[in-house]
Order: sequence, then C-alpha cells, then structure tokens
Amino acid sequence: AQSVTQLDSQVPVFEEAPVELRCNYSSSVSVYLFWYVQYPNQGLQLLLKYLSGSTLVKGINGFEAEFNKSQTSFHLRKPSVHISDTAEYFCAVRKGAGGTSYGKLTFGQGTILTVHP
Amino acid sequence: EPEVTQTPSHQVTQMGQEVILRCVPISNHLYFYWYRQILGQKVEFLVSFYNNEISEKSEIFDDQFSVERPDGSNFTLKIRSTKLEDSAMYFCASSEVGQGYEQYFGPGTRLTVT
Repeated sequence: AQSVTQLDSQVPVFEEAPVELRCNYSSSVSVYLFWYVQYPNQGLQLLLKYLSGSTLVKGINGFEAEFNKSQTSFHLRKPSVHISDTAEYFCAVRKGAGGTSYGKLTFGQGTILTVHP
Repeated sequence: EPEVTQTPSHQVTQMGQEVILRCVPISNHLYFYWYRQILGQKVEFLVSFYNNEISEKSEIFDDQFSVERPDGSNFTLKIRSTKLEDSAMYFCASSEVGQGYEQYFGPGTRLTVT
C-alpha cells in the first residue's frame, strides 16, 4: 500500500516570497506522483505530475516539483507566490507502470497555503 | 474545456435515507472514480469503475454503497441507508484509459446527514 505525508498543514507566506510545500511518500512499488490544488468551493485541479524521466517537473501557474527517489519526496515549489495562489494543495500517489491498481490515488492530508499582501 | 460535473452541489438528508449522487464524466473518458473527504480529513478513495464493473474498491465501500452507469453519460453513487458518518464532500473523477492519464475531478457534492 502507498501512503503520503504532507509535513505542513498550513503555510503562511507573503506575496512574492518563495514557497515550498513538502510531501513524502511510502511505497514498496514504483509510483506516479501528483500535486493537486483546490480553490475554495471548487474541485481538485491537477498542478503537475511525475510519471518518469526528468525528476524536475513543471506545472501550471509557475509551480514545479522535484522527485527524489532516495528521499521518497516530491516537494512543490514556486519562486514567487501571488495572492491568487491561496488554496489547499494535495500531494497524491498511485502505483506506477506495471501496477495492478486501476488508478486509485492516495492523498496526503493537504497543506493550506495562505499568501498575505 | 471539458469538465466533470456533479449534482447536486449540496444534499441534506436524514439518517437512514437513501441518497444518489450524480456525476457526468468527461465524454471520452472510460475510467470513473468516487472519492470522499470528511471535513478536516484526507481525500479518500472509494471506488473505481471501468467497462461497466467495479475495478477496485476501498474498505469504506461496503454493502451500503453502490455505483452505476445507467446510461452513456451519467455515473452515480448510491448510499442505501445513510449514517451520520457519511457526511462528507464526495468527488467524482474520470480519466482516459492508460496508466499515466490524469484524473479530472468534479466540484464535489457536499452530503450532510442529520
């Protein structure tokens, strides 16, 4: 089974500051990794995903994440945040190629990012 | 841009009543999912559905739950006899066939059981 831990439940930052949201996962098999964002009263929107290849992946809205297999981490970063980035961010994992899971995502508990002016 | 839709946005029901939550997945998608998020907790997988049958289900998805694709566009989640602990946000998702295809989520239905 897979599990995901998001190390920070809340992250307050000032506008234009850099931010890192931390995610660690546990799995005995290869995995695919995802970050989703949830704005108030909306569904989950995919920010970025790691399937294979380059460990640095770029997503929408200027976000990027780095897959670190040895540290089983997939931290999300943005060099300069905006007020509009205020939302809840979820890290998720699913079995990778060759797995028998039919796409089941396992989520972390979420990190609320609050960007202050 | 195509999107997953869910109805209703909010459902209030009394304990013991049956509820049906509805979802319209993206039209060319073939995998369908239900997740739920109890307030303050993680988003949890309930069930996946492909080729008109359940592909995988979690321990949460007991005999009180069922899913159906009654026609070519809708995907429903039925809870037969609701309990207070079923109160949660329920998300529907869909994806194309394939290992890496992302899941597109709907806006959710907030179910309140009183």
